[in-house]
Amino acid sequence: SYELTQPPSVSVSPGQTARITCSGDALPKQYAYWYQQKPGQAPVLVIYKDSERPSGIPERFSGSSSGTTVTLTISGVQAEDEADYYCQSADSSGTYRVVFGGGTKLTVL
Amino acid sequence: EVQLVESGGGLVQPGGSLRLSCAASGFTFSSYDMHWVRQATGKGLEWVSAIGTAGDTYYPGSVKGRFTISRENAKNSLYLQMNSLRAGDTAVYYCARALYYYDSRGGWYFDLWGRGTLVTVSS
Repeated sequence: SYELTQPPSVSVSPGQTARITCSGDALPKQYAYWYQQKPGQAPVLVIYKDSERPSGIPERFSGSSSGTTVTLTISGVQAEDEADYYCQSADSSGTYRVVFGGGTKLTVL
Repeated sequence: EVQLVESGGGLVQPGGSLRLSCAASGFTFSSYDMHWVRQATGKGLEWVSAIGTAGDTYYPGSVKGRFTISRENAKNSLYLQMNSLRAGDTAVYYCARALYYYDSRGGWYFDLWGRGTLVTVSS
């Protein structure tokens, strides 16, 4: 099976920068996507194609890629950013067409 | 309004069947690949199935042979027929609209999600 690995939790104070990583062997060959999910709500796309931001997503959300790791960065974290964040990608062989990371709980202290 | 609304969830016994529906509105349903994604309580997201605009279907090994995805474009509707249900299939099931990048690193991702429908498999 193919896995994307995220840290279970990240904590930051308001105004600081949060960085959430996602690691996977196929990430150099496949784009990564990031979703935000607040309790009781459906996921919302916040980054696509490693670093592109959909319309309506605040500029403080950004994405980057380096080798087998992609990173979601939230600059100037606000209380409303507290949520679970999931990366998503696929393996390079086409066997695992959609794979999600285990999710990271972002806590705003 | 652009939206997806799931229905059909409920309580079912192990070994039983259930059919989920997803009603799409506000966009040209037939032009999009559509997926089902599930989430067990307190757990992460898990991809369940996909159907292309041409009716081609895709499943992970965990549900292949038990679940069937289908669509009815005239009714702007997506379906998931779930058979031989197990306790491990208990989850909120989300319908999701997919986009696909046709380049060397491309793949599916989801720009619109429904609010989900809860499926509980228990005796």
